[in-house]
Amino acid sequence: SAVISQKPSRDICQRGTSLTIQCQVDSQVTMMFWYRQQPGQSLTLIATANQGSEATYESGFVIDKFPISRPNLTFSTLTVSNMSPEDSSIYLCSVEEGRGYEQFFGPGTRLTVL
Amino acid sequence: QQPVQSPQAVILREGEDAVINCSSSKALYSVHWYRQKHGEAPVFLMILLKGGEQKGHEKISASFNEKKQQSSLYLTASQLSYSGTYFCGTAGSGTYKYIFGTGTRLKVLA
Repeated sequence: SAVISQKPSRDICQRGTSLTIQCQVDSQVTMMFWYRQQPGQSLTLIATANQGSEATYESGFVIDKFPISRPNLTFSTLTVSNMSPEDSSIYLCSVEEGRGYEQFFGPGTRLTVL
Repeated sequence: QQPVQSPQAVILREGEDAVINCSSSKALYSVHWYRQKHGEAPVFLMILLKGGEQKGHEKISASFNEKKQQSSLYLTASQLSYSGTYFCGTAGSGTYKYIFGTGTRLKVLA
């Protein structure tokens, strides 16, 4: 399975600022996904990022708030813009492998907004 | 619509068995199961595809009832390492996007 790393692992940010989260994979993958997991909750898909095309956002998530880049097949970034305390969550990237779209997750970025 | 898992939480003694259920309101093509330990990322356990194919963990089995849009995860002879929160992820035909279930917290006691 792919090895996925994320930076930063955690951060504490002030309201109104932005944070960019990086996701690096050790192999080339077509699809990368960004999820949000609020404390004690399940995972919610934010967007799907394919290399060479615009990210596809899920209902409730917009590009202005969560811009995503996917410059190549091993890397993606998610920016959380104009942050508020409600954005405090764990943000995870994942990639899919295998015929059945098995997903493997990065270690996550724990974001706290004050 | 988010799949509903039951039970929400379960406590076991080592060696006991458990069943976790995942129910969807939509037609399913595949179901994934994951385990997440506190402070860690979800770890892939099992995938079940429409038609009966499955692939996953040695000591964990699962079933997929396509007609009922349900899946069940069977944990037998539980070990302390099985503790964590279990999530199902479901996808319909023709989609690569998985919707994760509500989660089941499982704790195994010595």
